[in-house]
Amino acid sequence: GNSVTQMEGPVTLSEEAFLTINCTYTATGYPSLFWYVQYPGEGLQLLLKATKADDKGSNKGFEATYRKETTSFHLEKGSVQVSDSAVYFCALIQAAGNKLTFGGGTRVLVKP
Amino acid sequence: DTAVSQTPKYLVTQMGNDKSIKCEQNLGHDTMYWYKQDSKKFLKIMFSYNNKELIINETVPNRFSPKSPDKAHLNLHINSLELGDSAVYFCASSPLGTSPNEQYFGPGTRLTVT
Repeated sequence: GNSVTQMEGPVTLSEEAFLTINCTYTATGYPSLFWYVQYPGEGLQLLLKATKADDKGSNKGFEATYRKETTSFHLEKGSVQVSDSAVYFCALIQAAGNKLTFGGGTRVLVKP
Repeated sequence: DTAVSQTPKYLVTQMGNDKSIKCEQNLGHDTMYWYKQDSKKFLKIMFSYNNKELIINETVPNRFSPKSPDKAHLNLHINSLELGDSAVYFCASSPLGTSPNEQYFGPGTRLTVT
């Protein structure tokens, strides 16, 4: 079956630091890949997505590139802010499917 | 506002009770979902309905019964609540026929069973 593995947190950073959250997946075919963000006390929001190999998703300064050869979709941001403190989830959907498979989530805490 | 909404936001109840969580979306989407997030933040799909028809039913105890009166609503009824049912339950929706299937989540319902 499909699975998503992401680095365990918490990840604690200072403001303006570089953030990387690793995500790797196992799936047949060519799934679509997503990063969702959950701010404290809120629901999940789609942060970015990529639908095919070498696609780069980007939003709010975050980026992730769909790497088929390494089955990875690592999330990066060059300079984090306190407001980026949240839990980040990597997820995939099988092509033509509608069931999201999530990673375990990575909590990020950015300190001033 | 267009959104996915859930009620209640918090639900505290005792073991053995029966409770319902309601979900509504006014996005015009055809497909709706229920997800469970446990205390370690792990998220797993429970059910999916497409235009009132059940299309995904993961390994969930039959104490959980989704009900979709129309395509804008997907309610979750839980019988004989157990301590292990304590979690945050998220409703989501997505439009039919889009690729990839982008899902929009509600704010969650935190269920605490004592």
